[in-house]
Amino acid sequence: SQTIHQWPATLVQPVGSPLSLECTVEGTSNPNLYWYRQAAGRGLQLLFYSVGIGQISSEVPQNLSASRPQDRQFILSSKKLLLSDSGFYLCAWSAGGGYEQYFGPGTRLTVT
Amino acid sequence: KNEVEQSPQNLTAQEGEFITINCSYSVGISALHWLQQHPGGGIVSLFMLSSGKKKHGRLIATINIQEKHSSLHITASHPRDSAVYICAVKVPTGNQFYFGTGTSLTVIP
Repeated sequence: SQTIHQWPATLVQPVGSPLSLECTVEGTSNPNLYWYRQAAGRGLQLLFYSVGIGQISSEVPQNLSASRPQDRQFILSSKKLLLSDSGFYLCAWSAGGGYEQYFGPGTRLTVT
Repeated sequence: KNEVEQSPQNLTAQEGEFITINCSYSVGISALHWLQQHPGGGIVSLFMLSSGKKKHGRLIATINIQEKHSSLHITASHPRDSAVYICAVKVPTGNQFYFGTGTSLTVIP
């Protein structure tokens, strides 16, 4: 069966510090991978998606970046965090573009 | 204006009640996804459908493509059903879903 992991579960970082969130998927090959952010009281916002190694599409301009160094690994990064980067970050995978998405447990990021 | 609108935003029900959550969308879609988000934040996929009706246990999802509307029904509601229910639609091109802001359900014993 497929499993998706995210870490860390919670993170408190000062403004201006770097960020690295990691997501890995087990039990499937060549998944589509997604990074979402959920701000308090808001819906899910797609940040990045990837259909293969090294292929990243950005949906929202921001100071975040994503990378996919391996087939089942998706990393969300920032060089300098802003207060507005606080939120709940979720990684998800699907078998293809039109398939169900399965979500990781999420990382709650607070930028202070 | 959001591509996906859900109603109601908040819903409180007594245990055992029949519950309906509605989702309307304004774009052409290839599929619609119902998700459940627990208080801790984790999201679980409930249904993905493109026509008709699907049933899983006490949950039923229906979709009317012509009316651009979907409903999620919960029969014999239970406190453990308390969660945020999210509707998302997949447009025919591209890889992304558009998400509603969710319906927060509280079932009181």
